Amino acid sequence: TQLLEQSPQFLSIQEGENLTVYCNSSSVFSSLQWYRQEPGEGPVLLVTVVTGGEVKKLKRLTFQFGDARKDSSLHITAAQPGDTGLYLCAGANRDDKIIFGKGTRLHILP
Amino acid sequence: ETGVTQTPRHLVMGMTNKKSLKCEQHLGHNAMYWYKQSAKKPLELMFVYSLEERVENNSVPSRFSPECPNSSHLFLHLHTLQPEDSALYLCASSQDGQGYNEQFFGPGTRLTVL
Repeated sequence: TQLLEQSPQFLSIQEGENLTVYCNSSSVFSSLQWYRQEPGEGPVLLVTVVTGGEVKKLKRLTFQFGDARKDSSLHITAAQPGDTGLYLCAGANRDDKIIFGKGTRLHILP
Repeated sequence: ETGVTQTPRHLVMGMTNKKSLKCEQHLGHNAMYWYKQSAKKPLELMFVYSLEERVENNSVPSRFSPECPNSSHLFLHLHTLQPEDSALYLCASSQDGQGYNEQFFGPGTRLTVL
């Protein structure tokens, strides 16, 4: 069974600090997505990465796909209270099935 | 507003009740999905419909019965549920059923089974 392990499960930091969250697997994925889910809402796509080693930036968020396409990281610079939410990674495997991780719950303190 | 709406937003039901969850997408997408989101578990894919045909059923108990009358609407019919079925049920849609496509999620229905 393919699994996506996300770490840490919970993270609470002060506004202005930097942070990195991780998404790891022993399996190769053809693509990987990061979603953010806020309370009372469904997940919203932030980015899709498809090439090993790919780096994408979205304002203060930097996403990296591992060279072997088994892992990914999300780095946030100068975190803001608006970054608070549940961050989910989702991988598409060779059978084109989507698998989600359990998520990292991020809380930015003002 | 993602273009995917779900009703009701909250539902409390007894184990002997029959109820239905409704999802509607206004994006012209061809694929629709039902997910279950429980605390401490990954998002679980339940059903996938592509062009109104069910293409995936991930070993979901028969007390959950999906229906897709057209590409814009998706239902999840519930009967004789168990307390462990209490969760957030999310509907999503995408352009087609390819795994790399962006999925647009609705706000979910928070279901409590007493």
